[in-house]
Amino acid sequence: GAVVSQHPSRVICKSGTSVKIECRSLDFQATTMFWYRQFPKKSLMLMATSNEGSKATYEQGVEKDKFLINHASLTLSTLTVTSAHPEDSSFYICSAIRSGTQYFGPGTRLLVL
Amino acid sequence: AQSVTQPDIHITVSEGASLELRCNYSYGATPYLFWYVQSPGQGLQLLLKYFSGDTLVQGIKGFEAEFKRSQSSFNLRKPSVHWSDAAEYFCAVGENGGATNKLIFGTGTLLAVQP
Repeated sequence: GAVVSQHPSRVICKSGTSVKIECRSLDFQATTMFWYRQFPKKSLMLMATSNEGSKATYEQGVEKDKFLINHASLTLSTLTVTSAHPEDSSFYICSAIRSGTQYFGPGTRLLVL
Repeated sequence: AQSVTQPDIHITVSEGASLELRCNYSYGATPYLFWYVQSPGQGLQLLLKYFSGDTLVQGIKGFEAEFKRSQSSFNLRKPSVHWSDAAEYFCAVGENGGATNKLIFGTGTLLAVQP
């Protein structure tokens, strides 16, 4: 099956700093990737659609200047949480499209102190 | 607007018993339907999907799901549950029949397995 990785798996940072999360499709090329946020005991909330070579498309209510997305290659998308605050602490999951199906990464646990 | 409903928030079954997780969707045309499983602290793993054709879909780990257009349902089943099946299960429908590649998720069903 299609494999998607994320790095790091968990990260702790201080309030005000920026954190970058990487999402890679390991065995296929993905022109489209998605970034989700998941709160405890909740479903996934789509944050943005990452398109290779173009600007990301953000969902309503998601601050594009705070959550910077870069999809520089067909196998890598990055999410940078800028000036992180404790309320940004969450589980961030990416997915990549292959043949009309989303394959998900293992997620990144972010804790902002 | 499209939506997915998983009526059961939490289900407990005994190991070896059969399982059915319910999923109802709203979409006027033929939907793209998915079931994913999430273990604690992990990402989502695709169990199975339905795009067209045979309405009974076989997936991994012994799961199957049946698409019933008349009931707008796509229930997930397993004849004999194993303790390792304890996890959260999400049903999802592809937005606009898969045209945008976006998924609309249900709220999930948490499965507990008793020994």
